[in-house]
Amino acid sequence: KAGVTQTPRYLIKTRGQQVTLSCSPISGHRSVSWYQQTPGQGLQFLFEYFSETQRNKGNFPGRFSGRQFSNSRSEMNVSTLELGDSALYLCASSLAMRGTEAFFGQGTRLTVV
Amino acid sequence: AQSVSQHNHHVILSEAASLELGCNYSYGGTVNLFWYVQYPGQHLQLLLKYFSGDPLVKGIKGFEAEFIKSKFSFNLRKPSVQWSDTAEYFCAVNAGRNTDKLIFGTGTRLQVFP
Repeated sequence: KAGVTQTPRYLIKTRGQQVTLSCSPISGHRSVSWYQQTPGQGLQFLFEYFSETQRNKGNFPGRFSGRQFSNSRSEMNVSTLELGDSALYLCASSLAMRGTEAFFGQGTRLTVV
Repeated sequence: AQSVSQHNHHVILSEAASLELGCNYSYGGTVNLFWYVQYPGQHLQLLLKYFSGDPLVKGIKGFEAEFIKSKFSFNLRKPSVQWSDTAEYFCAVNAGRNTDKLIFGTGTRLQVFP
């Protein structure tokens, strides 16, 4: 069974640009969450989607947004990139049933220059 | 606000030594608890989880953790570490209904020397 797939794996962008990251969950998983991982702040929750609806949102500025499609695939977008947005962005999917855990993708390494 | 504390930021051990990594959380209600591991260059993988029942849970690769509700703790243990256990370990809490949101601790970097 294929795992969580994130594309692209690496991105280099310039300040002020925008970027879209993609996540394909494990087949059958309806919940997708996004996290930002940095050396200074660790793993921080960005948002969670379930059945195309945002179910939860972390404490990030409005420049960070996301969406989920009917096939459960998800995208996140960051507009007006800042140097501090450089991070590893992780996507996790789950069955969204009690007793089940989240499975993580390899992440997208975003570098803002 | 919910939070997770991992007391050890960097642990260095020799092979065969015993390991215990501390994790405390702050949340008064029902929680689901997890330990994830991130090997160098790899994605986060689940080591073990606690949802209910026996507070001593066993995971993969010989790891176990004990949930002590009165202490809001979920410490990770392994009796004898191996060089291949070198990795970063994250404690995480899922709290609240109808959400998979995880609050992570800051992580513990474990280095095991042969």
